[in-house]
Amino acid sequence: GAVVSQHPSRVICKSGTSVKIECRSLDFQATTMFWYRQFPKQSLMLMATSNEGSKATYEQGVEKDKFLINHASLTLSTLTVTSAHPEDSSFYICSATLTAGNTIYFGEGSWLTVV
Amino acid sequence: QKEVEQDPGPLSVPEGAIVSLNCTYSNSAFQYFMWYRQYSRKGPELLMYTYSSGNKEDGRFTAQVDKSSKYISLFIRDSQPSDSATYLCATNTGTASKLTFGTGTRLQVTL
Repeated sequence: GAVVSQHPSRVICKSGTSVKIECRSLDFQATTMFWYRQFPKQSLMLMATSNEGSKATYEQGVEKDKFLINHASLTLSTLTVTSAHPEDSSFYICSATLTAGNTIYFGEGSWLTVV
Repeated sequence: QKEVEQDPGPLSVPEGAIVSLNCTYSNSAFQYFMWYRQYSRKGPELLMYTYSSGNKEDGRFTAQVDKSSKYISLFIRDSQPSDSATYLCATNTGTASKLTFGTGTRLQVTL
């Protein structure tokens, strides 16, 4: 299947700093990418939908100024957690949809720990 | 009521058993159905993708969709310990639209 790569896989940052997570589609172009957050033993919670070249659409309750999403190309979307706090510690996962079609592939996820 | 209901388990079966995982959904607009497998601390891996009502088979996995009763299933034959994971059903309304997930079912296949 298609490959979606996330980087970094794990990151530890200090409270108050910002951290960027990258999501790349390695062998296909992705018009749409999605960002999720997952708490232990829970399902994925959609944070935002990212379309190449336009502003992201955030789900209700997700602070767009805190979770900045940029989708500058058909193969790269980034999530920046600004002014991170310990409660932002979580597993963040991106997914990407092939430009033609509806098959959605997920990245390996990024573990964020804010200390 | 959640749009997609899935029994969280855990479900424990012996090696070699047939596993049946199920979800129900309430929104008739959902047209596409997927099953993902998620190992602990990893991203979900796409197992099956279906659109039409009926069965779709891939190796030991069979996905079944019944749109009339809004019921989807994943069957795993000859289950292996390596199948131990959380299985998530997911659905959406159309091309590149956001997925709605079930809560996931934790499966444990024992030796």
